[in-house]
Amino acid sequence: GAVVSQHPSRVICKSGTSVKIECRSLDFQATTMFWYRQFPKQSLMLMATSNEGSKATYEQGVEKDKFLINHASLTLSTLTVTSAHPEDSSFYICSAEETVNTEAFFGQGTRLTVV
Amino acid sequence: AQTVTQSQPEMSVQEAETVTLSCTYDTSESDYYLFWYKQPPSRQMILVIRQEAYKQQNATENRFSVNFQKAAKSFSLKISDSQLGDAAMYFCAYRSAFETSGSRLTFGEGTQLTVNP
Repeated sequence: GAVVSQHPSRVICKSGTSVKIECRSLDFQATTMFWYRQFPKQSLMLMATSNEGSKATYEQGVEKDKFLINHASLTLSTLTVTSAHPEDSSFYICSAEETVNTEAFFGQGTRLTVV
Repeated sequence: AQTVTQSQPEMSVQEAETVTLSCTYDTSESDYYLFWYKQPPSRQMILVIRQEAYKQQNATENRFSVNFQKAAKSFSLKISDSQLGDAAMYFCAYRSAFETSGSRLTFGEGTQLTVNP
């Protein structure tokens, strides 16, 4: 299957700072990327859908000003957690698909710890 | 909105035995896709098997097979000849066939599978 690379795999940041997570499709062009959040031993919750060249669509309850998503190219989407707080600590996973309704491929995830 | 329910938070199986993981879903749509994903301790999501709702035949991938009951909105996963490497969290997921904004997946709560040697 296609490869989606997520970086960094782990990050620790201080409360009040911002942190950027990258999601890259390595061998295909991703028209759509998705960002999920996963708490320990829980399911994946969709945060937002990112389409190349347009604004991201956020799920209800997700603060768009806190979780900034940019999908500037067909191979890269970024999630920036702004003014991070300890409650933002979580596991963040991206997925990407080549065209509408094709299989989604997942990145390896990023564990964010805010201290 | 669609919902996916996995009523078994934890399951265990002896190596080489067979185990079935349950999943039910709720939707008013007639066409959709159902998936089982595996998430090992590495946290990497791995697609195990997929089923198109318009297909009556149950999907099979080697040791993994599903029992898709459309009328009952049930989608169980059977793992035969369980191996130690099958130990993971398993998620059932739903995706609409009418989604115009890509593969928006709705996940169940997950079932933690333990394989005992």
